[in-house]
Amino acid sequence: AQSVSQHNHHVILSEAASLELGCNYSYGGTVNLFWYVQYPGQHLQLLLKYFSGDPLVKGIKGFEAEFIKSKFSFNLRKPSVQWSDTAEYFCAVKRPHGGGNKITFGTGTQLKVEL
Amino acid sequence: DTAVSQTPKYLVTQMGNDKSIKCEQNLGHDTMYWYKQDSKKFLKIMFSYNNKELIINETVPNRFSPKSPDKAHLNLHINSLELGDSAVYFCASSQEQGGGETQYFGPGTRLLVL
Repeated sequence: AQSVSQHNHHVILSEAASLELGCNYSYGGTVNLFWYVQYPGQHLQLLLKYFSGDPLVKGIKGFEAEFIKSKFSFNLRKPSVQWSDTAEYFCAVKRPHGGGNKITFGTGTQLKVEL
Repeated sequence: DTAVSQTPKYLVTQMGNDKSIKCEQNLGHDTMYWYKQDSKKFLKIMFSYNNKELIINETVPNRFSPKSPDKAHLNLHINSLELGDSAVYFCASSQEQGGGETQYFGPGTRLLVL
């Protein structure tokens, strides 16, 4: 079964610090990769996604992620975080062939940005 | 206009009761989902319907029964509610075209079973 690992469960940063959240998945075939964000009390929103092409993906609000196939990783980055980035971040993986439309989410990383 | 809507937003009920959560999407998508998010924020898929047909049914107690009257609606009925059912339930939808499709989530229904 495929799994998604987010090793950082809680991250605390000061404003303007750089961010990198790790995401690794276990499936070796073709995958679609997503990062979702959940602001406090709100629903999940898509930050960015990768399904083919340039492995460096740009998303909303200055976020980007790099797909490294050899490392089964899709880490999320932002060069300078803001207080408003405080949220829960979820990495997700989908198998476009044979996965039955199922997306598997990681356990999430809670990011707190302090002023 | 809200793309994916859920009602109710909050639901507080006693153990043993039966309750339903409704979901509607106005995006014209053909696939809808139910997810459960527990107190530790872990998000797990429960069901997926494509054009009113069940395509994903994860290991969920049969007290949970999804119903899709049409492709814009996917309701979740829960019988004999238990304390462990307390969670946030999210509905989502997508237009499946073979990969890479974004799932759009509803605002969630916060269920508390007393």
